[in-house]
Amino acid sequence: QLQLQESGPGLVRPSETLSLTCTVSGGSISSDTYYWAWVRQPPGRGLEWIGSMSYSGSTYYNPSLKTRITIFVDTAKNQLSLRLYSVTAADTAVYYCARFYWYFDVWGPGALVGVFS
Amino acid sequence: EIVLTQSPATLSLSPGERATLSCRASQSVSSYLAWFQQKPGQAPRLLIYDASNRATGIPARFSGSGSGTDFTLTISSLEPEDFAVYYCQQRSNWPTFGQGTRLEI
Repeated sequence: QLQLQESGPGLVRPSETLSLTCTVSGGSISSDTYYWAWVRQPPGRGLEWIGSMSYSGSTYYNPSLKTRITIFVDTAKNQLSLRLYSVTAADTAVYYCARFYWYFDVWGPGALVGVFS
Repeated sequence: EIVLTQSPATLSLSPGERATLSCRASQSVSSYLAWFQQKPGQAPRLLIYDASNRATGIPARFSGSGSGTDFTLTISSLEPEDFAVYYCQQRSNWPTFGQGTRLEI
């Protein structure tokens, strides 16, 4: 059964870079069918799509975040990664990775990242 | 950006009752709409995709309908485990979510 697990620092300082990794198990990230995505959720608020990537390198980013993000895939490690640059307190959220084929059908449990000075 | 507006913000019902949740899009999304359920401390769970198709393992009491700009999620007879927050999501251009409906006892 496909499982996703996010990992990374729980605290980041303002203006620094948020780095998260999603490890995929029970299946291959090198799928011709699926994209892999990041979605975030600020505490007590709704969901926001950050961006998606295929294993072959096609990427789609949320226009409101595209100047600050990079998403990449490591097929050898079966991992998806997110870099969010120049963070502020508004970037405090639970960050989820998810499998995406038009809809998000498999999710990781999420990783809470706080931005604090 | 396509904006999804969910109503009501909060719905208070009892087990056994019927729940009707609404999602309205700012422009047509055809049938490209999904519904998710989220419980506290958990990731969202896909319930319905393409407006009316139940995802794998989703009970038959969950049903979706609609097309264009107006969509409905119906839970025919509420079970105790159904009280949660529900989100809609469109995939017409880049994915966006509604702000959620809290279904409470």
